[in-house]
Amino acid sequence: AQKITQTQPGMFVQEKEAVTLDCTYDTSDPSYGLFWYKQPSSGEMIFLIYQGSYDQQNATEGRYSLNFQKARKSANLVISASQLGDSAMYFCAMRDSGYAGNMLTFGGGTRLMVKP
Amino acid sequence: NAGVMQNPRHLVRRRGQEARLRCSPMKGHSHVYWYRQLPEEGLKFMVYLQKENIIDESGMPKERFSAEFPKEGPSILRIQQVVRGDSAAYFCASSTVGIGGLETQYFGPGTRLLVL
Repeated sequence: AQKITQTQPGMFVQEKEAVTLDCTYDTSDPSYGLFWYKQPSSGEMIFLIYQGSYDQQNATEGRYSLNFQKARKSANLVISASQLGDSAMYFCAMRDSGYAGNMLTFGGGTRLMVKP
Repeated sequence: NAGVMQNPRHLVRRRGQEARLRCSPMKGHSHVYWYRQLPEEGLKFMVYLQKENIIDESGMPKERFSAEFPKEGPSILRIQQVVRGDSAAYFCASSTVGIGGLETQYFGPGTRLLVL
């Protein structure tokens, strides 16, 4: 069974500093995908970044990068140069290709608060 | 902007009434997923549909909940005889068919259901 764990319920970061949001996962399937989504206070779910289990390099998208450590089963999100608009809930999610339903399994989320 | 559309954005129902939530996937997407988010929790998978087919409904409650994705028109999540515990945000996501089945799911803005 899939499992996603986000151990930080809430985090503060100073504006313009970098922050790392933790995510560990558990799956027995060798082929899987890891996703991060942002949920601002307005409630929508915004896709940020994707990492495939066979990707050789860590994914990057602008100020977002994914620190993928396959042996440790971790997929931490790094946000560089934090902005006030980064304050939101952040969810890590996983899908493995061995599951016919193709559903995403989500972690419990981390609430990030950026201080001016 | 042809993103995932959901309506209504907010829905208030009294106990015992029916709730109908609609989702139009992104243009070119043939896979639809419904998720439920209880307050202060991550999203939980409910059902996965393709046109005219329910592929996986392992996350759907056994009673009162049903979903469809007809050949024409939006996907519908239907909740009969709502109870207070059904109050939640219901998100729809859509995706294309991708290599390896690990395509990104893009989410709609969600429907906030409040049962009085």
